[in-house]
Amino acid sequence: DTGVSQNPRHKITKRGQNVTFRCDPISEHNRLYWYRQTLGQGPEFLTYFQNEAQLEKSRLLSDRFSAERPKGSFSTLEIQRTEQGDSAMYLCASRSTGLDTGELFFGEGSRLTVL
Amino acid sequence: TQLLEQSPQFLSIQEGENLTVYCNSSSVFSSLQWYRQEPGEGPVLLVTVVTGGEVKKLKRLTFQFGDARKDSSLHITAAQPGDTGLYLCAGAETTDSWGKLQFGAGTQVVVTP
Repeated sequence: DTGVSQNPRHKITKRGQNVTFRCDPISEHNRLYWYRQTLGQGPEFLTYFQNEAQLEKSRLLSDRFSAERPKGSFSTLEIQRTEQGDSAMYLCASRSTGLDTGELFFGEGSRLTVL
Repeated sequence: TQLLEQSPQFLSIQEGENLTVYCNSSSVFSSLQWYRQEPGEGPVLLVTVVTGGEVKKLKRLTFQFGDARKDSSLHITAAQPGDTGLYLCAGAETTDSWGKLQFGAGTQVVVTP
């Protein structure tokens, strides 16, 4: 399967714990995006990378959130000291600017539940 | 706060009926996309529209982008149970920000046999 892969698919944690999500984009895609989706809402943009450079972060991304894409391939999203309000689906997406149809390819998401 | 307003929020229809979903904004977008999302899955792109007034057809689905590039509609003809899902519209403010999308809250469509 050459689609966008995310893991873990589900994570249940206690408030105050740290969690990390991983995203493996489609291999030739240079741009990688993180979105957050809460129940009954559409996805909200968090941050994106072009290769290994993080080019933009939403103000939704508090200091407890950090994202990396160290070698321009996979990316991780870490949430420190989780809060109940962090409970959401975290979606990763990728695209190539080389042949730009504008299509974003989304992964299946990582669902976080903070107790 | 969602800049794109979708209506209705929920739509339940019988197989064979037609439906229209609307996406409105006060902002101008360089492009607008429609996605369908099923439970536990990520959104899947249906179409991208970039030109004001543009109409695109994808089998039984017809997409329209408003002349002023602020609104869009999705019309499904003769809906089938397989059309059930959350329909999301998403706009990009510039061509360079095509991945940084503003999503609407979605319209949940349920088509019963």
